[in-house]
Amino acid sequence: GQNIDQPTEMTATEGAIVQINCTYQTSGFNGLFWYQQHAGEAPTFLSYNVLDGLEEKGRFSSFLSRSKGYSYLLLKELQMKDSASYLCAVSFPNSARQLTFGSGTQLTVLP
Amino acid sequence: DAGVTQSPTHLIKTRGQHVTLRCSPISGHKSVSWYQQVLGQGPQFIFQYYEKEERGRGNFPDRFSARQFPNYSSELNVNALLLGDSALYLCASSLLGRAEFVDGYTFGSGTRLTVV
Repeated sequence: GQNIDQPTEMTATEGAIVQINCTYQTSGFNGLFWYQQHAGEAPTFLSYNVLDGLEEKGRFSSFLSRSKGYSYLLLKELQMKDSASYLCAVSFPNSARQLTFGSGTQLTVLP
Repeated sequence: DAGVTQSPTHLIKTRGQHVTLRCSPISGHKSVSWYQQVLGQGPQFIFQYYEKEERGRGNFPDRFSARQFPNYSSELNVNALLLGDSALYLCASSLLGRAEFVDGYTFGSGTRLTVV
């Protein structure tokens, strides 16, 4: 199977750091994506990991360990606007390269 | 630059009816993918089209069909609607239909379909 597991909900305080984990039971994927989705809006691309290690983009960082079947998204200096659903997804080397998504983690940032 | 545009934004249909959803990709993008997102879940892959040919199909019944036009826009058709088809239908475009691109796929805001 291609199970992708994320916590359903997380809560954090403005200005804090939060780590959203993603575990998967699959192999042979091309890469792992993180998307942000505000309620009623389109998912927007945050990061893409192909190799093991940390990718940093401003306040957002993403980490991948293929051997451990694990990724996380790290959000620093949380802002109220970061309240959203965060989706972990993997792409596979078939002709369609479709994305297989987890169910998403709903993050609520409190003042 | 216009992003991925989808129409309509909202739609209410009755069980058994047919629906057509439309998507215009980003200018220059040749690939369109369709995803279904049920409330509280992640998007699920339905179809991908590249250069007007079907590249992949997810685990959806034959009631779901799609096509891509010469201008790379796309339609998703669903026949014999069921209550369970109520969802947000997302269209995503990419240049070459490969998720290896650094920015992955660009999604539209979706069509919210309600079947009653």
